[in-house]
Amino acid sequence: DIQMTQSPSSLSASAGDRVVITCRASQSIDNYLNWYQQKPGKAPNLLIYAASSLQSGVPSRFSGSGSGTDFTLTISSLQAEDFATYYCQQSFSTPITFGQGTRLEIK
Amino acid sequence: QVQLVESGGGVVQPGRSLRLSCAASGFIFSNYAMHWVRQAPGKGLEWVAVISYDGDNKYYADSVKGRFTISRDDSKNTLYLQMNSLRGEDTTVYYCARGAVGDYLKFDYWGQGTLVTVSS
Repeated sequence: DIQMTQSPSSLSASAGDRVVITCRASQSIDNYLNWYQQKPGKAPNLLIYAASSLQSGVPSRFSGSGSGTDFTLTISSLQAEDFATYYCQQSFSTPITFGQGTRLEIK
Repeated sequence: QVQLVESGGGVVQPGRSLRLSCAASGFIFSNYAMHWVRQAPGKGLEWVAVISYDGDNKYYADSVKGRFTISRDDSKNTLYLQMNSLRGEDTTVYYCARGAVGDYLKFDYWGQGTLVTVSS
């Protein structure tokens, strides 16, 4: 199975800050890497797919990069509605695996 | 608009069975692979199973293989998860999710989830 490791596990930041979350795969997954945002009590929502493509309707302050084993999600200027938990997910092969999540909290 | 609505969750004793349903609308259900993903309270996401658009291919997480069965009824636009021999660790919220076109292992729409509690 492909292991996905996110860092940090939690992060405190202020509105307007630039935030970077990283995700590492245990083997190369090309660009089969997706990012989801989840708010408490809600289902996850797809933000970024294929490592760097922005899902329709997602604000442009979200961006993704990387390929192979190392990936990043960047939020360029945090807004109040961005405080949530973020998960990376590999769609390279089954079993599909997720990172453990990064909880983004208000400082 | 795309809608996925799960049902069938509840409290069940260890060792018993439960069947979850996911009613789909707003898209051509038979064109899409469908998944079940679960999340224990306060924990991360765990993929459970996928069924191909035509129902011919099914894959499972090792944690549920041999106990859970994914199926679909395209005439009813409904996805199912038959869960047998339930264990305490199966206590989670179960989400159905649509596999995206072009990368069916990516989830582009999710339901709101249904809670399964396995307890005596």
